[in-house]
Amino acid sequence: QKEVEQNSGPLSVPEGAIASLNCTYSDRGSQSFFWYRQYSGKSPELIMFIYSNGDKEDGRFTAQLNKASQYVSLLIRDSQPSDSATYLCAVRAGGGNKLTFGTGTQLKVEL
Amino acid sequence: DTAVSQTPKYLVTQMGNDKSIKCEQNLGHDTMYWYKQDSKKFLKIMFSYNNKELIINETVPNRFSPKSPDKAHLNLHINSLELGDSAVYFCASSYSNQPQHFGDGTRLSIL
Repeated sequence: QKEVEQNSGPLSVPEGAIASLNCTYSDRGSQSFFWYRQYSGKSPELIMFIYSNGDKEDGRFTAQLNKASQYVSLLIRDSQPSDSATYLCAVRAGGGNKLTFGTGTQLKVEL
Repeated sequence: DTAVSQTPKYLVTQMGNDKSIKCEQNLGHDTMYWYKQDSKKFLKIMFSYNNKELIINETVPNRFSPKSPDKAHLNLHINSLELGDSAVYFCASSYSNQPQHFGDGTRLSIL
């Protein structure tokens, strides 16, 4: 079982719709969760981070964390073509610095 | 003005050669990282330094040797390059265990 799992996609949504990206993790000791966006040929860019159960909203982005079920999700409201990218979920266990990444979900927002 | 800068951006070399990649950050962070992203886009931690001290040393061939002369710089030297070393190498930095910020990457191609 992979430590951090994501559906590779591609996930296609129409412009203006809500895109829902999911991530599950295996280490129950994980405490910090991050979403990065990576455009093709570019570097990962931090979008959101969440440490506590529940929802965290930032503009069109909402991160949702459920530690009991060991999943974290990212919702993108009013999806735009510029949101088309690969979204990487990253998990940090305990108080250390090591991030474990999923393989990413490719999102395509279609006109 | 780039917060985390890597040089060179592209590196094309022959098998068996030795090469170095340099990274510098001007964010005042105390922790720096090297990641490898393979052809399937999987991003994996290799090394991390905190205030010049090695704190993460993943299972990486000893042909790879990191060096941190100060907390703003982290270099990666690779000996006897192999075909499997072809990848994008990302440098990242953070303040302690806060979110990590990535450089633009070095695209290494082994002929």
